[in-house]
Amino acid sequence: GQQLNQSPQSMFIQEGEDVSMNCTSSSIFNTWLWYKQDPGEGPVLLIALYKAGELTSNGRLTAQFGITRKDSFLNISASIPSDVGIYFCAGQPRSNSGYALNFGKGTSLLVTP
Amino acid sequence: DTAVSQTPKYLVTQMGNDKSIKCEQNLGHDTMYWYKQDSKKFLKIMFSYNNKELIINETVPNRFSPKSPDKAHLNLHINSLELGDSAVYFCASSQAGVTQYFGPGTRLLVL
Repeated sequence: GQQLNQSPQSMFIQEGEDVSMNCTSSSIFNTWLWYKQDPGEGPVLLIALYKAGELTSNGRLTAQFGITRKDSFLNISASIPSDVGIYFCAGQPRSNSGYALNFGKGTSLLVTP
Repeated sequence: DTAVSQTPKYLVTQMGNDKSIKCEQNLGHDTMYWYKQDSKKFLKIMFSYNNKELIINETVPNRFSPKSPDKAHLNLHINSLELGDSAVYFCASSQAGVTQYFGPGTRLLVL
């Protein structure tokens, strides 16, 4: 499967700052998802996006499905220490005959108090 | 209330051994998956099962075989383990779609 281009690779910020990360693909995707993985745990779904242009919020998190269907971003506002973890974008390509997700390489977020 | 569970959480074994990892979901989902996460944290699909039928097999060595006794279970059996099989293996499930829920992972170390 195609690997998504996710950036930045890592971020080191202070508590209270806003964070932005994004994912791009060379092909069209039907769905974009954002997951967070804590150390020693499995990925936990944060936000799912199903339509081009869709903007969805989940508390302090906001994500958008790019209008070209080839990109998505995730914003975290007013970060707190428990936001620490690895954030993954994932998507289902249009050509996929099954439901498998393609993942980005992850953005590692560190938040200092 | 665990939605997707896996056993064991840790698995340490010798090269050449055969081992199984079990996965169960209580969400009533009709599709289950196995993903492999390498040392660089990259997640890659291995298999997915829908209604007991394998619908994706991403060029995984045939030493890996998924087995689904029923809709709520998808086990992963690995023959002749190799050093390169060391990774974290995640089970996931979904209801006929892409919103997948992941288990806690099985950390496999092959010595």
